[in-house]
Amino acid sequence: KAGVTQTPRYLIKTRGQQVTLSCSPISGHRSVSWYQQTPGQGLQFLFEYFSETQRNKGNFPGRFSGRQFSNSRSEMNVSTLELGDSALYLCASSKTSGGFGTDTQYFGPGTRLTVL
Amino acid sequence: AQKITQTQPGMFVQEKEAVTLDCTYDTSDQSYGLFWYKQPSSGEMIFLIYQGSYDEQNATEGRYSLNFQKARKSANLVISASQLGDSAMYFCAMRESENQAGTALIFGKGTTLSVSS
Repeated sequence: KAGVTQTPRYLIKTRGQQVTLSCSPISGHRSVSWYQQTPGQGLQFLFEYFSETQRNKGNFPGRFSGRQFSNSRSEMNVSTLELGDSALYLCASSKTSGGFGTDTQYFGPGTRLTVL
Repeated sequence: AQKITQTQPGMFVQEKEAVTLDCTYDTSDQSYGLFWYKQPSSGEMIFLIYQGSYDEQNATEGRYSLNFQKARKSANLVISASQLGDSAMYFCAMRESENQAGTALIFGKGTTLSVSS
């Protein structure tokens, strides 16, 4: 069974630009969550989508947005990039939303974004 | 507020030794889940083991076991017979409230494990 895939793996942008990252979940998984990882702040939850609806959102500015398509693939967008947005962006998928045990989140390899 | 604390920034062990990575958590919920992930230098987060707050027995998955002490709010990861490939960053994470919408994980700062031959 294929794992979570993320594209692109590496990205270099300049301040003020916008960027779109893509995530394809494990087949059969309907929930997709996004996390930002930086050396200073560690791993922080961005948002979660389930059945094309945002179910939960972390404490990030409105420049960070996302969406989920009917095939459960998800994209996240960051507009007006800032230097501090440089990070590893990780996507995770799980079968459902909420609950434990069977709802383990499986992560993709991440997209490393560098903002110059 | 929910919080995960990993007090060991780095741990050094030799091959075939057992190692314990510490994790304490803070939550006011009765229902929660605890997870351990491994992150090699490549960046991908690899799920290792899960423990539910109502599970009476400690979770085990191959060489990984979770020493769950609910009263002390600790969920330490034990790796038996360390291998060179175990060298990585290890994260403890928690998710609260079985009935709460969303599956957001709260992560600790991580522990870097280095295994030498």
